[in-house]
Amino acid sequence: KAGVTQTPRYLIKTRGQQVTLSCSPISGHRSVSWYQQTPGQGLQFLFEYFSETQRNKGNFPGRFSGRQFSNSRSEMNVSTLELGDSALYLCASRRTGSLQETQYFGPGTRLLVL
Amino acid sequence: DQQVKQNSPSLSVQEGRISILNCDYTNSMFDYFLWYKKYPAEGPTFLISISSIKDKNEDGRFTVFLNKSAKHLSLHIVPSQPGDSAVYFCAASAWSYKYIFGTGTRLKVLA
Repeated sequence: KAGVTQTPRYLIKTRGQQVTLSCSPISGHRSVSWYQQTPGQGLQFLFEYFSETQRNKGNFPGRFSGRQFSNSRSEMNVSTLELGDSALYLCASRRTGSLQETQYFGPGTRLLVL
Repeated sequence: DQQVKQNSPSLSVQEGRISILNCDYTNSMFDYFLWYKKYPAEGPTFLISISSIKDKNEDGRFTVFLNKSAKHLSLHIVPSQPGDSAVYFCAASAWSYKYIFGTGTRLKVLA
């Protein structure tokens, strides 16, 4: 079974630009969550989608948005990039919405904002 | 407000010895806890979990202990192996749809 895939793996953007990251969950998984990892901050929850609906959202500004398609693939968009948005963005999928079900992470997209 | 804290950013242990990674939390509503391991250039992988109705859970060389009164979680790895060298994250949830992660502890197992 293929794992969670994320594209692109690396990205360089400049301040003010926008970026779209993509996540393909494991086949059959309907829940996709997004996290931002920065040094010293650990993994911070961005949002979770389940069956195309955003179910929960972390404490990030409105510049961060996402969506999920009918095939469970998800995209995350960051508009008006700031230097502080440089981070590793991870997505994770699980089959159902249960928190007690194992969450599988992708390798992440490393974003550098110059 | 960091609800889940891993106060040791790094830890070095000799091969064969016990590694103890610690995690403290502040929200008494947390009722499910997990540990993840992360190697460079890879996403975190699930290691072990524990529900608040238990105080211990074992899986091979890995044991997680939960002390609810102290709001403290620990991961024991016995015996430690060089392949265990990674960053370890603890995470907690409170019947919402999200986990709160700690900042991670980098474990180095010395051969």
